[in-house]
Formats: sequence, structure tokens, C-alpha cells
Amino acid sequence: DTAVSQTPKYLVTQMGNDKSIKCEQNLGHDTMYWYKQDSKKFLKIMFSYNNKELIINETVPNRFSPKSPDKAHLNLHINSLELGDSAVYFCASSQDRANLYEQYFGPGTRLTVT
Amino acid sequence: QKEVEQNSGPLSVPEGAIASLNCTYSDRGSQSFFWYRQYSGKSPELIMFIYSNGDKEDGRFTAQLNKASQYVSLLIRDSQPSDSATYLCAVYSGAGSYQLTFGKGTKLSVIP
Repeated sequence: DTAVSQTPKYLVTQMGNDKSIKCEQNLGHDTMYWYKQDSKKFLKIMFSYNNKELIINETVPNRFSPKSPDKAHLNLHINSLELGDSAVYFCASSQDRANLYEQYFGPGTRLTVT
Repeated sequence: QKEVEQNSGPLSVPEGAIASLNCTYSDRGSQSFFWYRQYSGKSPELIMFIYSNGDKEDGRFTAQLNKASQYVSLLIRDSQPSDSATYLCAVYSGAGSYQLTFGKGTKLSVIP
């Protein structure tokens, strides 16, 4: 059974389009995260939700909007895609926000904007 | 701004040697330190964490922490080709930040 899953695995789209990435975890964790990893492998936190409540919102363009319909799901919607949005986006979860050190990562979504 | 610095490498070591990976951090109040391993094209996975000064050993892996000097290191003994990956250092500063700050990672290559 996949602990943290993301769809799609690959996403190729043109500038200006709107796209969504979905994430689901079946670990019963309370906290979920979105990270962006650029071409230089730099992994940077974007958002974190704890029990459907937004607790971390780093400096990210407001074209990015996370949504957590329940604590097992955290989706990421991106409006008006730009070339610089090309990266691998990882979803992760942890038991709760206090136990954030052991984060389980999804397989990643490689987004390419052309 | 909290920063975590790592030498990007690549660090090449022969099979059976000790690989030494280093990480420095800027926030003196940082509480916990983590090493994640990321194989090419895969997601990061936690391999070690350390809270207190000194060494922590787990199999072939040893994490070392020196809070006074603000550095943390990971030693891999008897390196194997399967250890070839990028190693990400992550730091938790505590104080209600609820997030990890990652370094850019060091790419390790173990040569058979």
C-alpha cells in the first residue's frame, strides 16, 4: 500500500494554464506539506496543513493555492503557470506538527512548463 | 533568515571507505537535526536524526552534532555503491516554527 501518493507523476503544460496536483496519505497523519524542489535539488517548504488548518504559508506567489478537503488530502492548484514553476513538487506528511521530523514523502510530481 | 549549508559535491569515495558529509546551520537556537537520503528521481527518506551534542550511531551510519560550532555531520562506514545518492541535511529550529529547513544536499558517489 502506498503511504503518500500524488497524481499526476508527470505534468507538462504551457505557460498561462491552470493545473492541479493531488496528494493523499493513508497513514492517519494529521499534518501534510507541499515542497518544491528545483533543478539544483533545493527542497523548500511551501505550505503545511495540520488537520485541515493552514499552519505554514511561506513566501509563495498567490497563484499557488492549497486546499485540504480532509486531513488525508492536500491538493495544490496553480494558476497562470510560469516557466519558473517548473520543478518537482513533493507532498509529505507527518504524524502531527510536533513530530514533523519524520516526514513521509510522496513520489513527487515533475511539472514542466513550456 | 535561517540557512543550512552543505557542499553540493559530488563527493566520490571508493567502496569500503568512510564517507563524511557535513552541514552547517545559521540559527544557533536550532534544536533537532536530520539527514534525509534521496536517490536520483526518488523522494527523500529519513535515515538519521540527532538532538544532543555528540555522536549517534545506527548501523553503518553515525550522526555527529556540535552545537557550539553549529555543524552536523554524517559518517557512512564501509560505503557501498548503493549508498550513492544525494544526502539532505535538515534543521528544526523549534520555537513553534513547525517546519524543517533543508540544505541543498551533497551528492555522494561510491565507486566500486
